[in-house]
Amino acid sequence: GQNIDQPTEMTATEGAIVQINCTYQTSGFNGLFWYQQHAGEAPTFLSYNVLDGLEEKGRFSSFLSRSKGYSYLLLKELQMKDSASYLCAVRDSNYQLIWGAGTKLIIKP
Amino acid sequence: IAGITQAPTSQILAAGRRMTLRCTQDMRHNAMYWYRQDLGLGLRLIHYSNTAGTTGKGEVPDGYSVSRANTDDFPLTLASAVPSQTSVYFCASSPGQGGQETQYFGPGTRLLVL
Repeated sequence: GQNIDQPTEMTATEGAIVQINCTYQTSGFNGLFWYQQHAGEAPTFLSYNVLDGLEEKGRFSSFLSRSKGYSYLLLKELQMKDSASYLCAVRDSNYQLIWGAGTKLIIKP
Repeated sequence: IAGITQAPTSQILAAGRRMTLRCTQDMRHNAMYWYRQDLGLGLRLIHYSNTAGTTGKGEVPDGYSVSRANTDDFPLTLASAVPSQTSVYFCASSPGQGGQETQYFGPGTRLLVL
């Protein structure tokens, strides 16, 4: 079967750095996405990786290792507004997105 | 209209009733999707449409039907609602379905079936 694993919840301090991990087992791989979802709102796109390595976008970076079935999202200089759930999704061989359950990130002052 | 809209925002429905959730996008995207999101689970695909006039079944299609008569609209119908269909429903769209195509989400419909 297809499976995406992420930690359920993480806590970090304002101004710090946090890494959210995602491991996957899917039928085929056509890219990995990270989305942010604030409570009661819709998911919004953060990043996309299809090749191994690090993609940096401002305070957010995303890393992919296809051989290990592993990705992480790195958030730097954390702000209170970063409190949200972070969803990892993999596009499978049918070009459909398979979603993890999300990681709820709690930022403390 | 800007992006994707969904209606209603929320609904309480008696079991056995029929209900249609509406979704409209103005981005001229070819592909559209319906997901449900339940606590502790990832988004699960119900139905999708790669282009107007075509639809396909996702991971959890039972009890739901869709149609795609034109590019903009993608309604989701529950023929006879059951309590297990209580969920938050998100409609999404993307320009296509391959490569780096990003999915854009509507605000969601919160459905409670009693």
